[in-house]
Amino acid sequence: DVKVTQSSRYLVKRTGEKVFLECVQDMDHENMFWYRQDPGLGLRLIYFSYDVKMKEKGDIPEGYSVSREKKERFSLILESASTNQTSMYLCASSLNRAGEQFFGPGTRLTVL
Amino acid sequence: GIQVEQSPPDLILQEGANSTLRCNFSDSVNNLQWFHQNPWGQLINLFYIPSGTKQNGRLSATTVATERYSLLYISSSQTTDSGVYFCAGTTSGTYKYIFGTGTRLKVLA
Repeated sequence: DVKVTQSSRYLVKRTGEKVFLECVQDMDHENMFWYRQDPGLGLRLIYFSYDVKMKEKGDIPEGYSVSREKKERFSLILESASTNQTSMYLCASSLNRAGEQFFGPGTRLTVL
Repeated sequence: GIQVEQSPPDLILQEGANSTLRCNFSDSVNNLQWFHQNPWGQLINLFYIPSGTKQNGRLSATTVATERYSLLYISSSQTTDSGVYFCAGTTSGTYKYIFGTGTRLKVLA
């Protein structure tokens, strides 16, 4: 079974803090994704990585950056957290670029 | 980009009832998935079904890509089926999955 894990289930941070969200997958998948989920807006793609050190912007990359130094790990970075980044963050991975995606448990981030 | 519409938006069932959830796309899809989001927020894969019909226990799904829709059938529903069901698809030339707004299901004991 594919397993995708995320570093925290719940996280509370202060405005202006630098925040790291970590995602690890154990199935040697090439592709990894970061989404955020907000009521009424659904799931929106923030960033996508198709290989180590490679990344592409999704639909809402502003205020975020990513890092992929190892194949199994994909990090989402909030350089200076703001209250409008309070959200549920979901990581996913897939073997093929448009193939079946598998999701981690999610991180509920609150920025105060 | 493609638009994804799910219906109904909300559904309340008695335990043991059957239901059909629908997902309509504004364009033909190459890849399509159904997910169940549990109360803790995790998206659980139900089906990867670009076309045809698949069954897994009490759940089955049918996708007719050329007619731009997919159906998820839940039979003999249980309280543990409660949650939000999402469909998501990609169109030709793109890797981005577009998600529907979900169907919120509540199964009453």
